[in-house]
Amino acid sequence: QTMVTQEPSLSVSPGGTITFTCGLRSGSLSSNYYTSWYQQTPGQAPRTLIYSTNTRSSGVPDRFSGSILGNKAALTITGAQADDESDYYCALYLGGGIEVFGGGTKLTVL
Amino acid sequence: EVQLAESGGGLVQPGGSLRLSCAASGFTFSDYWMSWVRQAPGKGLEWVANIKQDGSVKYYVDSVKGRFSISRDNAKNSLYLQMSNLRVEDTAVYYCARRDCSSTNCWFDPWGQGTLVTVSS
Repeated sequence: QTMVTQEPSLSVSPGGTITFTCGLRSGSLSSNYYTSWYQQTPGQAPRTLIYSTNTRSSGVPDRFSGSILGNKAALTITGAQADDESDYYCALYLGGGIEVFGGGTKLTVL
Repeated sequence: EVQLAESGGGLVQPGGSLRLSCAASGFTFSDYWMSWVRQAPGKGLEWVANIKQDGSVKYYVDSVKGRFSISRDNAKNSLYLQMSNLRVEDTAVYYCARRDCSSTNCWFDPWGQGTLVTVSS
């Protein structure tokens, strides 16, 4: 079973920059895998932020960006705001119609 | 505006059955793969099932194979999840999501608000 890793929690100061990572427990998350990122505030449905590793979904501000950093996918928030305090999930399309989510990262803005 | 609205959740005993529905609007439903994703209380997101535009191809996470069945009615712009032999560990909010795909990969966008399924005696 493919295991996708994310930091359990991160914190950032208002106005700061924070980077989340998404990796594969079994090895490198290379360009063979396309990553999507989702934001979820408590009690709300997920919101799509990034797809195809680095493409912002409609209406997502450009302070959210996706990339590959080394052997992991990354989501960066530049100029963090208080309402960015949420859970963030990455997902990988493994091919063959199969998807897998990471365990999620809880972001605190303080 | 693209909208997805789930219904059909509720309390069911272990071993019981339940059928979830998702009403889609604001886009050409028959042009898209569709998906179900669930979230157990206090836990992360888990992909459950995908269905192709014409319903001819379906994929499931291993933990629900043989118990859950995804289907769709393009004439009614509706997606369904028939759940049987339910287990306590199936307790979750179930989200309907449109599955967008390029030539090389897929993602979920947008999402419905979810419907809660509680499996308990």
